[in-house]
Amino acid sequence: GDSVTQMEGPVTLSEEAFLTINCTYTATGYPSLFWYVQYPGEGLQLLLKATKADDKGSNKGFEATYRKETTSFHLEKGSVQVSDSAVYFCALTLNQAGTALIFGKGTTLSVSS
Amino acid sequence: GAVVSQHPSWVICKSGTSVKIECRSLDFQATTMFWYRQFPKQSLMLMATSNEGSKATYEQGVEKDKFLINHASLTLSTLTVTSAHPEDSSFYICSALLSAQETQYFGPGTRLLVL
Repeated sequence: GDSVTQMEGPVTLSEEAFLTINCTYTATGYPSLFWYVQYPGEGLQLLLKATKADDKGSNKGFEATYRKETTSFHLEKGSVQVSDSAVYFCALTLNQAGTALIFGKGTTLSVSS
Repeated sequence: GAVVSQHPSWVICKSGTSVKIECRSLDFQATTMFWYRQFPKQSLMLMATSNEGSKATYEQGVEKDKFLINHASLTLSTLTVTSAHPEDSSFYICSALLSAQETQYFGPGTRLLVL
């Protein structure tokens, strides 16, 4: 079935370090891919998305490129901040009307100053 | 941007009572809304898909008579946890599908504690 696999956390970094959170997917057809972020005690916020191969989503210094050949959508940021500490979820949805998101298990990022 | 609200954000109730959670899309219409449940330090589990004007579609293992979903308008879906028990304590999150963007926007979540 369709699924999303994320790297196991937690990821612990110092401020200004480079961040990569790996995400790979399995899907029939051509899914849209998303990264959501969840800050402590809050709901999910859309961070970025890509709807077709080779698209790059970017927001707040984060970016991810939809790689069809490797079925990946890795999240990167060149210089993390303490305020980036959160749980990051990779997700996909099949491009059919009204289909739900399929989430990865989430990766906790902790950034220290 | 697209905003989704949930009410209440926190609720504590006694075992055996029912709790209603509202999910509203504030600045767009949503034919489809989704209800998720999240256990501590785990991912979101889809409970049901709510379509305006029709019956919700429940995921396998989710009791439809326990988790009543009503999607009476294009901006409001409600989840009622009936005869709540301590094992129903969880973080419930809704999302609304903005079709034009093919993107779900999430509410801030409702934390339910059943004593």
